[in-house]
Amino acid sequence: EPEVTQTPSHQVTQMGQEVILRCVPISNHLYFYWYRQILGQKVEFLVSFYNNEISEKSEIFDDQFSVERPDGSNFTLKIRSTKLEDSAMYFCASSSDAGSNQPQHFGDGTRLSIL
Amino acid sequence: AQSVTQLGSHVSVSEGALVLLRCNYSSSVPPYLFWYVQYPNQGLQLLLKYTTGATLVKGINGFEAEFKKSETSFHLTKPSAHMSDAAEYFCAVRKGNNDMRFGAGTRLTVKP
Repeated sequence: EPEVTQTPSHQVTQMGQEVILRCVPISNHLYFYWYRQILGQKVEFLVSFYNNEISEKSEIFDDQFSVERPDGSNFTLKIRSTKLEDSAMYFCASSSDAGSNQPQHFGDGTRLSIL
Repeated sequence: AQSVTQLGSHVSVSEGALVLLRCNYSSSVPPYLFWYVQYPNQGLQLLLKYTTGATLVKGINGFEAEFKKSETSFHLTKPSAHMSDAAEYFCAVRKGNNDMRFGAGTRLTVKP
């Protein structure tokens, strides 16, 4: 069964550095998402992306964050200048079409540790 | 606005016992509801979903959930718990074409 893949599985970065988290969504999916889960807390929506532009973003997704689909397969989340509080699991997800009844398929996540 | 509330951050059952994980939703429109499971150090795996039609939906690993509009609930059940069911379970509601809104999660522990 097709799956969403994320790399790296664990990223350790110094505070203030830029980090790029990578995702390869399921190939025929059109809608892409990033979520964050701080240790011990709930999964929080960051941003959704469709047709090469952001369709919705949460208050967490400030100017330090950006997303990009640089080619036909990758979907990236960039944090420009990381802060300690950015330490979390970051999940990428994708879904096949616009219907609200379509589930989102999640990757295994990237654990981001900011030192 | 759509949201979900999961009652009980931690549920502990004995192996072979009934599993009941509670989820209540609030939604101004007919909701699309989902249950996801997260095993340690893994991502979120879809267990089941409710969209339209039959209110009792069956998912993977023997889980099922019933959509009860009158109670605004979508509780997850499994007749007989297995040790491998130990995980974090998240109820979620799909908000339009965009994000999923997740509950806080319920950690299920299964005792031998």
